[in-house]
Amino acid sequence: GEDVEQSLFLSVREGDSSVINCTYTDSSSTYLYWYKQEPGAGLQLLTYIFSNMDMKQDQRLTVLLNKKDKHLSLRIADTQTGDSAIYFCAETLGGKLIFGQGTTLQVKP
Amino acid sequence: NAGVMQNPRHLVRRRGQEARLRCSPMKGHSHVYWYRQLPEEGLKFMVYLQKENIIDESGMPKERFSAEFPKEGPSILRIQQVVRGDSAAYFCASSPNGLDNEQFFGPGTRLTVL
Repeated sequence: GEDVEQSLFLSVREGDSSVINCTYTDSSSTYLYWYKQEPGAGLQLLTYIFSNMDMKQDQRLTVLLNKKDKHLSLRIADTQTGDSAIYFCAETLGGKLIFGQGTTLQVKP
Repeated sequence: NAGVMQNPRHLVRRRGQEARLRCSPMKGHSHVYWYRQLPEEGLKFMVYLQKENIIDESGMPKERFSAEFPKEGPSILRIQQVVRGDSAAYFCASSPNGLDNEQFFGPGTRLTVL
């Protein structure tokens, strides 16, 4: 089936690390994505990971993939107030994206 | 290179009217995807089109909704006889080719049905 699950809310203090978790169901997904959505805006691709990788680092962002458990995480180091947004993980299935319901990240000064 | 463009950005319709949402993909992109985001929810796939062809419409409601991507011009998502439950943000994405390539999203059209 097509199901991507995320926790709905995460609150951190500025300067701390944020970890957003996601589980997915389709083991055939080639890529897994993290998107960011700010209020009233569209989706911005943050990063993605190929399914044969375990980890990918891109500046403050680290993506970890546990393919056996179908678990994906996004770590944001030194979280800033500008990181406050909704974060969506997504898997690909036949070209279309299957999104989780989004994790709202609140960054307190 | 302009990104994916959608218009209008905001659309207000009364129940029973028609809504037409337009999407111009990025230059060189021939694959278009439409997604719907209901309030407080994630995005749900609706339809995947390539020029003049519907590839996958498994997420489209069976009635009142249609989509096209003509040889010339933007992709159109058409909703006939709108109801309040159609109020949502509709996002279009494009990619240079299908499969698992990165999809670039437009800013969305926010439809409000009164």
